[in-house]
Amino acid sequence: NAGVMQNPRHLVRRRGQEARLRCSPMKGHSHVYWYRQLPEEGLKFMVYLQKENIIDESGMPKERFSAEFPKEGPSILRIQQVVRGDSAAYFCASSPLAGGQETQYFGPGTRLLVL
Amino acid sequence: QQQVKQSPQSLIVQKGGISIINCAYENTAFDYFPWYQQFPGKGPALLIAIRPDVSEKKEGRFTISFNKSAKQFSLHIMDSQPGDSATYFCAASTRNTGFQKLVFGTGTRLLVSP
Repeated sequence: NAGVMQNPRHLVRRRGQEARLRCSPMKGHSHVYWYRQLPEEGLKFMVYLQKENIIDESGMPKERFSAEFPKEGPSILRIQQVVRGDSAAYFCASSPLAGGQETQYFGPGTRLLVL
Repeated sequence: QQQVKQSPQSLIVQKGGISIINCAYENTAFDYFPWYQQFPGKGPALLIAIRPDVSEKKEGRFTISFNKSAKQFSLHIMDSQPGDSATYFCAASTRNTGFQKLVFGTGTRLLVSP
């Protein structure tokens, strides 16, 4: 069973461009979480999605950031008009169920660098 | 109140020694406390986790000690090995949110010297 896959692993964008980060959850997992890790800091929760639904986006900036998890295909985290402060590692995790008892399995992350 | 404070920021331990990392929290609604291990360039991997109905949980060389009244929990790595050199994150969550909304500590970079 392949683990959580994220691509690209590294992404370089210039200020003002768009960044699209993809996450394919583990087989059988229908719950996806996105976290951001700034240099020398812990991970910060951004958004929790189930198939076709955003359940909690309380950690996601209101402007420029959006996430989706379509019925078919990977989950996408989109950052429009990137700024230097968006440079970070973005991790997604998946779980087979929710409710507070679940274990989240993390992908290897996408390291975004904004020039 | 949502913070989890972790210390130390970095730690150097001799091979065979005991590594101890501490975390403290304020939110009494937290009811799940996992520890994650992260190697450079990789995502965090669940190492061990505890719920507040027990004061200690042991898995191999890794032990979580939990003090509910002090709102503190710690990770002990016995017989530390160079392969344990990694960054360790404590985290906490509450089932009140309906899902595991993990709040992470800032991490401890552990180096085990040969």
